[in-house]
Amino acid sequence: ETGVTQSPTHLIKTRGQQVTLRCSSQSGHNTVSWYQQALGQGPQFIFQYYREEENGRGNFPPRFSGLQFPNYSSELNVNALELDDSALYLCASSPGRSVNTIYFGEGSWLTVV
Amino acid sequence: AQTVTQSQPEMSVQEAETVTLSCTYDTSESDYYLFWYKQPPSRQMILVIRQEAYKQQNATENRFSVNFQKAAKSFSLKISDSQLGDAAMYFCAYRKSNRDDKIIFGKGTRLHILP
Repeated sequence: ETGVTQSPTHLIKTRGQQVTLRCSSQSGHNTVSWYQQALGQGPQFIFQYYREEENGRGNFPPRFSGLQFPNYSSELNVNALELDDSALYLCASSPGRSVNTIYFGEGSWLTVV
Repeated sequence: AQTVTQSQPEMSVQEAETVTLSCTYDTSESDYYLFWYKQPPSRQMILVIRQEAYKQQNATENRFSVNFQKAAKSFSLKISDSQLGDAAMYFCAYRKSNRDDKIIFGKGTRLHILP
């Protein structure tokens, strides 16, 4: 049990739609990162938030955006969905930037049709 | 840019035997961390073992140990006394420093345990 909860577990969206994925972290985890894991691949870093501000971004277009809230929850928003956005989206949190223990959630499976 | 390569897409091992998963990486950094993560069908990434690059001693966690060759940029995982519950995807991963939480993952190795 990592204390990182993601919702929804599975969802199906149509190309062009928008989606919001949610993550709830443990109290005190003020760093959260999101990863995209396509089928048969390793996770790819999307972005990281630290104390509610974006703190690093991977090679993803601006239609991938996020928010982090004071209650240690966060969101990943994807606009104008494309078929290639179909993947498992993982949330990972940690107590701070200087601690190297990161806790992952079980992910949200997004299918774009 | 840092990269992580796992050249074995799938491996199989007999229960109770030993198996070694390979990983190579590329970086120009001198201070970094290496990890092996396990991803069972439940999809949750579970940290198996961690190695700090400045430590020469290979990390060990119960039945799991690593062979860290810094000059060769090699980081293999040895699983001893394999158990059915070890069946999963295993990802080798790299992180640049203690203050950078971005993790770079390899493509993974699917490990099958044969009863």
